[in-house]
Amino acid sequence: AQTVTQSQPEMSVQEAETVTLSCTYDTSENNYYLFWYKQPPSRQMILVIRQEAYKQQNATENRFSVNFQKAAKSFSLKISDSQLGDTAMYFCAFMKRRAGGTSYGKLTFGQGTILTVHP
Amino acid sequence: DSGVTQTPKHLITATGQRVTLRCSPRSGDLSVYWYQQSLDQGLQFLIQYYNGEERAKGNILERFSAQQFPDLHSELNLSSLELGDSALYFCASSDWGTGVGEQFFGPGTRLTVL
Repeated sequence: AQTVTQSQPEMSVQEAETVTLSCTYDTSENNYYLFWYKQPPSRQMILVIRQEAYKQQNATENRFSVNFQKAAKSFSLKISDSQLGDTAMYFCAFMKRRAGGTSYGKLTFGQGTILTVHP
Repeated sequence: DSGVTQTPKHLITATGQRVTLRCSPRSGDLSVYWYQQSLDQGLQFLIQYYNGEERAKGNILERFSAQQFPDLHSELNLSSLELGDSALYFCASSDWGTGVGEQFFGPGTRLTVL
């Protein structure tokens, strides 16, 4: 079974600054996806960024980037130029990928990190 | 807006009762997933359906059941409700065959058991 650990229950950052959220995972699988989801006060789950384990290049989406260290089983999220709208709970999640390209589909989530951006 | 709809948004009921939560996936998505978010258990996978068939099961209680209908909407049935079943229940959908793995989440149903 896979486990996902987010060791930072809460983080805070000043507007326009950079913050990094940590995530580690444990798996014996070699082929998988990793995700960061954002859950603002509205409770909607929003996909922030996705990483495929077989890709060595770190994923980026505008102000969001990841540092994927496969050997260390680490998947951190960096938010640059933080904005007030980034205030939310952030979840790291793992998904096994079946050989042949299709995914199993089950997401295993970490406990979440509450990020507060201060003006 | 993810394109996934869930009804109702809020549900308040009493212990011992039975409720049904409904989910309509994004147009074209064949897979539906149910997750439970509670303070003590966090976000947990319950069950997955693909094109009407059960595909994966997580920590779903025997009092809970689900199904996916020919029009691909899904229902999660919760019976003999207990106080501890109070939670936010999410439905998500994806296209199994793309290999991308992305799941799109609905807005959730907030269940309160009194």
